[in-house]
Amino acid sequence: NAGVMQNPRHLVRRRGQEARLRCSPMKGHSHVYWYRQLPEEGLKFMVYLQKENIIDESGMPKERFSAEFPKEGPSILRIQQVVRGDSAAYFCASSPSGTGYTFGSGTRLTVV
Amino acid sequence: GIQVEQSPPDLILQEGANSTLRCNFSDSVNNLQWFHQNPWGQLINLFYIPSGTKQNGRLSATTVATERYSLLYISSSQTTDSGVYFCAVFTGGGNKLTFGTGTQLKVEL
Repeated sequence: NAGVMQNPRHLVRRRGQEARLRCSPMKGHSHVYWYRQLPEEGLKFMVYLQKENIIDESGMPKERFSAEFPKEGPSILRIQQVVRGDSAAYFCASSPSGTGYTFGSGTRLTVV
Repeated sequence: GIQVEQSPPDLILQEGANSTLRCNFSDSVNNLQWFHQNPWGQLINLFYIPSGTKQNGRLSATTVATERYSLLYISSSQTTDSGVYFCAVFTGGGNKLTFGTGTQLKVEL
């Protein structure tokens, strides 16, 4: 079991470009969560998804951010028209039943 | 929303020393996890501990849910223990984690 796989590990985007972050959950895990960690801070919840459904997106910014977890393939966190304030580490986690998270290694997004 | 406070915020230890990290939370929780974020940024799950005590090698954790706190014990610390330790609590429907403020640990030779 390869654990939660995130890619890319590092992503550099210019202001106004789109960023796509991918997360493959652990085998057998149907719950996926995205968290954001700003520099020198703890992680903040963004969104919780199950296959083809968004369960809780209360932590997602209202504009430019979207997430999906299709029936086939990884979960995608998409940030449109990135700004410098989007620079952060984005972590994905998965669980088999809604508790007991395992986190991926994160994607470090830098907006220049 | 729930508040999760950790203490101390920073800690420097000599290799071999023991330490206790504390996590206080302001409301009832469904569950609690401890994580170690190493200097490379990776988050390692240490314990999933809603109540009671668990041990894993040199680490152990105790959660007293009725008194709204959890403790993480590190014995015989090593330089590889350096990093940030987070506790995080499950709230609401039990699917969302609220992270604490973290304890930055540095273990020196």
